[in-house]
Amino acid sequence: DARVTQTPRHKVTEMGQEVTMRCQPILGHNTVFWYRQTMMQGLELLAYFRNRAPLDDSGMPKDRFSAEMPDATLATLKIQPSEPRDSAVYFCASGLGKRISDTQYFGPGTRLTVL
Amino acid sequence: AQTVTQSQPEMSVQEAETVTLSCTYDTSESNYYLFWYKQPPSRQMILVIRQEAYKQQNATENRFSVNFQKAAKSFSLKISDSQLGDTAMYFCAFTSPRDDKIIFGKGTRLHILP
Repeated sequence: DARVTQTPRHKVTEMGQEVTMRCQPILGHNTVFWYRQTMMQGLELLAYFRNRAPLDDSGMPKDRFSAEMPDATLATLKIQPSEPRDSAVYFCASGLGKRISDTQYFGPGTRLTVL
Repeated sequence: AQTVTQSQPEMSVQEAETVTLSCTYDTSESNYYLFWYKQPPSRQMILVIRQEAYKQQNATENRFSVNFQKAAKSFSLKISDSQLGDTAMYFCAFTSPRDDKIIFGKGTRLHILP
């Protein structure tokens, strides 16, 4: 049963600390998405990659957030320095298609709390 | 800019009843895709149903079906014979190939009561 995995599932950190969230897409999937979910803003697309190349990161605050795919089996989302307003659930999703409208498979999310 | 509106923040129905969740959207595009996602308490987002705007026929998946009214820009989800496992947040989402963005509504929290 192929699944998207995300680590850690929960993270509590102090303001100013660096946070790294990891995602392992389903094997063979060529597209990876990062989303953020908050009560106020709902679910927002932060960035996505196709064949490891960043296609769109316009939803991501550039000054402190960065997303990378070091290889086809790992995607990372980093926040440095973290702030309380970054507290949210961060989802990774992967897919096989060429377009954002193709089916995406979501991971279980990382719940981040920044104190 | 495209928008997606879910006007029902929360709903409750008895098990085995039919329930309809509403979603309206605004776009000037003619080609686009609409989705319903389910997020149970486990937090996992699960695709329930997908509709392509150029297809007249309403999409169905077992007990889940949509009523897609393109002119009215409405995309409601009907759950028939509701089950306790249907308890979840439901999100409506829109994407268009032209700008390659995806926009989610704020969600409807659905409770299925025993």
